[in-house]
Amino acid sequence: AQRVTQPEKLLSVFKGAPVELKCNYSYSGSPELFWYVQYSRQRLQLLLRHISRESIKGFTADLNKGETSFHLKKPFAQEEDSAMYYCALLYNFNKFYFGSGTKLNVKP
Amino acid sequence: GAGVSQSPRYKVAKRGQDVALRCDPISGHVSLFWYQQALGQGPEFLTYFQNEAQLDKSGLPSDRFFAERPEGSVSTLKIQRTQQEDSAVYLCASSLEGQGARTEAFFGQGTRLTVV
Repeated sequence: AQRVTQPEKLLSVFKGAPVELKCNYSYSGSPELFWYVQYSRQRLQLLLRHISRESIKGFTADLNKGETSFHLKKPFAQEEDSAMYYCALLYNFNKFYFGSGTKLNVKP
Repeated sequence: GAGVSQSPRYKVAKRGQDVALRCDPISGHVSLFWYQQALGQGPEFLTYFQNEAQLDKSGLPSDRFFAERPEGSVSTLKIQRTQQEDSAVYLCASSLEGQGARTEAFFGQGTRLTVV
């Protein structure tokens, strides 16, 4: 069965520190993985997707099929990065499986 | 409008009452999705439309849940005989192309349903 696990409900770091939000998945096929972000009082929005191999707002995520992981990383966290982050697996082109989310709190 | 619009933003229903939640997708978007997000959880898939066709309704939790998109634009999620476990935020999303969410899915702000 398809599953996405985000083991940390809350991650607190100081401004300028590196941050890594963990995501593990289980899926028998070739996965398409995404990170979505929800800033306070805003709607859920796409941050990045693994097929694009892009860096958005300094964030990157590498798909590791051996470890079935898609961790989100940023070398130097900023206060404006504080938000709720969801890892998502796309299944059958039309269905996202979301993790339960990690709240990132960047302290000044 | 500029984005996906959902109404109402908040809905309080008495147990047993029927409710209807509306979603206005971005104009021209082919794909439309409904998700249910319980408190402290990630969104869970309910159903998917491509234009007016409901191609996947495997996530609807019971036959009390019904969704439609009759003209391929606005969609309505209806919940009959609401129960307390239906309390959640209901999210609607749309994307431009017919390949579902392979293109970026844009989410609405959600409708928070509270069943008392």
